Amino acid sequence: NAGVMQNPRHLVRRRGQEARLRCSPMKGHSHVYWYRQLPEEGLKFMVYLQKENIIDESGMPKERFSAEFPKEGPSILRIQQVVRGDSAAYFCASSQETGSYNEQFFGPGTRLTVL
Amino acid sequence: SQKIEQNSEALNIQEGKTATLTCNYTNYSPAYLQWYRQDPGRGPVFLLLIRENEKEKRKERLKVTFDTTLKQSLFHITASQPADSATYLCAPRSGQNFVFGPGTRLSVLP
Repeated sequence: NAGVMQNPRHLVRRRGQEARLRCSPMKGHSHVYWYRQLPEEGLKFMVYLQKENIIDESGMPKERFSAEFPKEGPSILRIQQVVRGDSAAYFCASSQETGSYNEQFFGPGTRLTVL
Repeated sequence: SQKIEQNSEALNIQEGKTATLTCNYTNYSPAYLQWYRQDPGRGPVFLLLIRENEKEKRKERLKVTFDTTLKQSLFHITASQPADSATYLCAPRSGQNFVFGPGTRLSVLP
């Protein structure tokens, strides 16, 4: 059973470009979470999604950032018009359910560098 | 607002000793608390979960305590090894709350 897959592992963008980060949850998991981690800092929650629904996006900036988890295919975190401050590691996690003690399984992360 | 603190950014101990990491939280009442390990350049890995009605949980060389009165969890690694060197994150959970502590970077010296 493959774990959580994220791609690309490394992404370089110039200021003003768009970044698309993909996350395939573990088989059988219908809950996906995105986190951002700046160098030497902790994990910051961004958004929680179930299939076709955004459940909680309280940690996601209102502008330029969006997330989706379509019925088919991976979850996508999209950052439009990237700025240098967006450079960070973005981790995706998945779980079977939430609020019932289920652990989150994390992917290897996508390291975004904005030049 | 909710706040999670973990003792010292970094902790150095000698191989074979017991490492004790602290997690304190304020302004909420988690139903359970999770501990994760994160190695450099990798995603966190789940280690242990303890519920609010449990005082202590053990798994091999790991032990976790949960004191809801003190609003604190302690994470112990006994007979520590250099391979235990990593950053350890606590995550007090309540409903759809996905906050992590800042982490403690543990270094076990041979």
